[in-house]
Amino acid sequence: GAVVSQHPSRVICKSGTSVKIECRSLDFQATTMFWYRQFPKQSLMLMATSNEGSKATYEQGVEKDKFLINHASLTLSTLTVTSAHPEDSSFYICSASSEGGGSNQPQHFGDGTRLSIL
Amino acid sequence: AQSVTQLGSHVSVSEGALVLLRCNYSSSVPPYLFWYVQYPNQGLQLLLKYTSAATLVKGINGFEAEFKKSETSFHLTKPSAHMSDAAEYFCAVSGAAGNKLTFGGGTRVLVKP
Repeated sequence: GAVVSQHPSRVICKSGTSVKIECRSLDFQATTMFWYRQFPKQSLMLMATSNEGSKATYEQGVEKDKFLINHASLTLSTLTVTSAHPEDSSFYICSASSEGGGSNQPQHFGDGTRLSIL
Repeated sequence: AQSVTQLGSHVSVSEGALVLLRCNYSSSVPPYLFWYVQYPNQGLQLLLKYTSAATLVKGINGFEAEFKKSETSFHLTKPSAHMSDAAEYFCAVSGAAGNKLTFGGGTRVLVKP
């Protein structure tokens, strides 16, 4: 149980392109979804937290107009990297949690999306 | 505010030897603690979690961790390493602010035959 599917797994595109990444909870309702960014050989940095039906909460330093997050249903959240540039190249990982607000509820992670901007 | 420190960015062990990964945390509220494993180009898989019940927590793949409040530690151990244990391991803490996680820097485990 608790499977999170992230798509696509890898994207290579030209500078200036907008890229959408999907995160789906397959067998549970995800009240809360999280988006992380991971640079090579580094830890995960939280970008934003999204709750179904409301606006995402962005971490300090993350441009909300650059990284658009939509959480329209209890099983789907999307991250759109708008007008991507080479510095946006990274490994993006989503996670989902049921029973939002419960600190002891584990997050279940997708397999990540490797974004490469040429 | 919360923080996690993982001592040692790399650990090398021989197959069959003890695996010990260190994690110390700082939290202004009673913490919930997690260990995750990440294989190359994949997301994170939950190994185990501490949620204020038993202080010794058993997880998957033979791993366990012990919560020690006096030492603010949550070290991860496995008695006998397998080659398949080679991966990156992350300790994480969450607290009263919903289930937002703060991760440690990660420890990469290399298992030698």
